[in-house]
Amino acid sequence: KQEVTQIPAALSVPEGENLVLNCSFTDSAIYNLQWFRQDPGKGLTSLLLIQSSQREQTSGRLNASLDKSSGRSTLYIAASQPGDSATYLCAGGPSGNTPLVFGKGTRLSVIA
Amino acid sequence: GAVVSQHPSWVICKSGTSVKIECRSLDFQATTMFWYRQFPKQSLMLMATSNEGSKATYEQGVEKDKFLINHASLTLSTLTVTSAHPEDSSFYICSVPGGAGGTDTQYFGPGTRLTVL
Repeated sequence: KQEVTQIPAALSVPEGENLVLNCSFTDSAIYNLQWFRQDPGKGLTSLLLIQSSQREQTSGRLNASLDKSSGRSTLYIAASQPGDSATYLCAGGPSGNTPLVFGKGTRLSVIA
Repeated sequence: GAVVSQHPSWVICKSGTSVKIECRSLDFQATTMFWYRQFPKQSLMLMATSNEGSKATYEQGVEKDKFLINHASLTLSTLTVTSAHPEDSSFYICSVPGGAGGTDTQYFGPGTRLTVL
């Protein structure tokens, strides 16, 4: 059974700092991996999807990588801003049409 | 990307009453939808898989008689929380797999916050 772990559980950084959020999964048969953002009391915003044939994806200041052999994914946020403060969730599934298994998230606070 | 809507966005009900939550896929037909719930400060956990034309599949520990799922059409799935209790208070989110729309992403609804008094 797939298990997804995110480290750290919480992170506080000053504005402008580059940071890395980590996600590990137990089953390397993962098909794709998605990173989401969740603001307090809100739903999910999809940030990046890394498909099985890909190793990384970039969107603006965000870069996500996927290493299936080691069971790890990282989300890199460059030049962090207070508006980046949120909980970041990673999730993966064995195929494109199966439910996702979520990590518990990393709660990020960017201090101005 | 695909748009998934949920209604209502929040609901407060008395203990013992039933609450229906709708999940609609607005862009493409979905034979499968997933229902998750999220307790405060916890992550999303899959509750059940809603299947158009057949019974829903429930995860271990989820009472199928309490959480009734009806996949009424290719664009609508409903989750009814029957005889709600305060411990059912949670954030309920549905998702639609993007396979039918040609992508591998999952499209999530905005969620429904249920508070049972």
